[in-house]
Amino acid sequence: GQQLNQSPQSMFIQEGEDVSMNCTSSSIFNTWLWYKQDPGEGPVLLIALYKAGELTSNGRLTAQFGITRKDSFLNISASIPSDVGIYFCAGFFSGNTGKLIFGQGTTLQVKP
Amino acid sequence: GAVVSQHPSWVICKSGTSVKIECRSLDFQATTMFWYRQFPKQSLMLMATSNEGSKATYEQGVEKDKFLINHASLTLSTLTVTSAHPEDSSFYICSPHTDTQYFGPGTRLTVL
Repeated sequence: GQQLNQSPQSMFIQEGEDVSMNCTSSSIFNTWLWYKQDPGEGPVLLIALYKAGELTSNGRLTAQFGITRKDSFLNISASIPSDVGIYFCAGFFSGNTGKLIFGQGTTLQVKP
Repeated sequence: GAVVSQHPSWVICKSGTSVKIECRSLDFQATTMFWYRQFPKQSLMLMATSNEGSKATYEQGVEKDKFLINHASLTLSTLTVTSAHPEDSSFYICSPHTDTQYFGPGTRLTVL
């Protein structure tokens, strides 16, 4: 079945540093989504990618849809304490039914 | 973005009781609602899909008789955890099927 492998599992960085995390899949995805989840809350959509090769920014966040359609990365530049949280990649199950499959998540901690 | 609310935000119940979780779309109509479950320190896993006016569909391994889903209107979907047990303790999150996947704020269920 479809699976998403997200890495790294966790990161502990200094404020101001850049962060990079990625997701890979054993199968092709037509859409990649990146979410952030704070404790006790639902995921919040950060960036949506719809085309292979697409590079999209949202403030200090940049994400790219891999050319092979089997991977995506998310970069956070100049991290700040409020970037702390869990970041998930997600893609739609085949057939575009709207069902999402999630990566395992990357827990980010930022030291002021 | 789409506004989705869940009620209650957290609930504690005794083992053997039933708990109903409501998910409302506040500014749009959703014919389809996805229900996800998230155990501590884990990713989100799709449980079931509710469809307005028809039966819900469940993912493999999810007991339909235990997790009752009702999608009575285009703005309300409910998930009832019947005869809850401690292993049902989890974070339950709904997500309406829209062009962009937004999530509700989640409901924390703790079964004693």
